[in-house]
Amino acid sequence: DTGVSQDPRHKITKRGQNVTFRCDPISEHNRLYWYRQTLGQGPEFLTYFQNEAQLEKSRLLSDRFSAERPKGSFSTLEIQRTEQGDSAMYLCASRPTGPGTEAFFGQGTRLTVV
Amino acid sequence: QKEVEQNSGPLSVPEGAIASLNCTYSDRGSQSFFWYRQYSGKSPELIMFIYSNGDKEDGRFTAQLNKASQYVSLLIRDSQPSDSATYLCAVDTGGFKTIFGAGTRLFVKA
Repeated sequence: DTGVSQDPRHKITKRGQNVTFRCDPISEHNRLYWYRQTLGQGPEFLTYFQNEAQLEKSRLLSDRFSAERPKGSFSTLEIQRTEQGDSAMYLCASRPTGPGTEAFFGQGTRLTVV
Repeated sequence: QKEVEQNSGPLSVPEGAIASLNCTYSDRGSQSFFWYRQYSGKSPELIMFIYSNGDKEDGRFTAQLNKASQYVSLLIRDSQPSDSATYLCAVDTGGFKTIFGAGTRLFVKA
């Protein structure tokens, strides 16, 4: 088991472009989370999945953000019409089902919108 | 009111001292509480979790939970320079949605 994998590690894009990030969780982890983190702040909750079901999406998230986990394994996060304010580290975490479990984080994707 | 609040610090302690980190949360129904450590440029990694009121000890770390006061703390004994990092408090709200605080920066001076 190689842990949570995120791709790409870095992405530079021009304002207005669409970007897509991928997260491969630890195998058999049913729960998958997406967070956004900016400098000096804690991870901000974006959304999370139980298997393929998206259970909650942050009210702070605009309609430009969408996430999928089509087969309950890997997940993608798409940002449409990127804005400079979208520049941040996007973190993915996975977690087994049940209490007494912790979330394991990937290395993150750093997005820079120029 | 933020769901999870922490003093942003920085908290500076001398090597060998006890570092005390505090966190409050707003959802009274929260059941699970976590402390993560994050080094600069790295992802968060779990230090401890706690579910029951009282203290939980793991090596140099002790987590304390008081659900009535909606308060969680982390004590680091015999602080080392390698403990210098940002410490994130995280809380499971309903349905295993995990919310993080803004983090407290800790500096341990050699």
